[in-house]
Amino acid sequence: KQEVTQIPAALSVPEGENLVLNCSFTDSAIYNLQWFRQDPGKGLTSLLLIQSSQREQTSGRLNASLDKSSGRSTLYIAASQPGDSATYLCAVRENSGYSTLTFGKGTMLLVSP
Amino acid sequence: DADVTQTPRNRITKTGKRIMLECSQTKGHDRMYWYRQDPGLGLRLIYYSFDVKDINKGEISDGYSVSRQAQAKFSLSLESAIPNQTALYFCATSERRGFLSTDTQYFGPGTRLTVL
Repeated sequence: KQEVTQIPAALSVPEGENLVLNCSFTDSAIYNLQWFRQDPGKGLTSLLLIQSSQREQTSGRLNASLDKSSGRSTLYIAASQPGDSATYLCAVRENSGYSTLTFGKGTMLLVSP
Repeated sequence: DADVTQTPRNRITKTGKRIMLECSQTKGHDRMYWYRQDPGLGLRLIYYSFDVKDINKGEISDGYSVSRQAQAKFSLSLESAIPNQTALYFCATSERRGFLSTDTQYFGPGTRLTVL
């Protein structure tokens, strides 16, 4: 059974810092990996999706990398802002076609002004 | 208007009551999902449907049932609610377009359910 772990569970940084969120998964036979953002009391917003054949994806100040063989992904946030404060979730899809997502428990990020 | 809507947004009910949570989408997606989120446990899949005639159990389906009334509608029912079903419930949709599709999931705003 696939298990997804996110470290740290919570992170507090001052505005302007660069930071890295970590995600690891136990079964490297994944189809893709997706990073989501969740604001308190709200739904999930997809940030980046990395296919298994890709090494990284970038969107603005966000960069996600994938090392499938070691079962790891990182989400890099550059020049953090208070508006980045949210919970960040990592999810993996194991096979193409009919598989579903397995989520980590998330990293709660607080960026202070 | 939101692409994925959930009703109600908040619900308080009593043990033993039957509850239905509804999800509608205007994205034209064929796949729909129900998750629950609990503090410290993350999101767990309850049921999913890859088309109107396809219903599958997820990781934690006991105590729940679903109905896919149309491509755009997917309802989750708790036949006899119990307190440990208190959670935040999310509906999601995705679309499978060909073998190389990313099948990205899009989430609704959630329903906060409290069972007393």
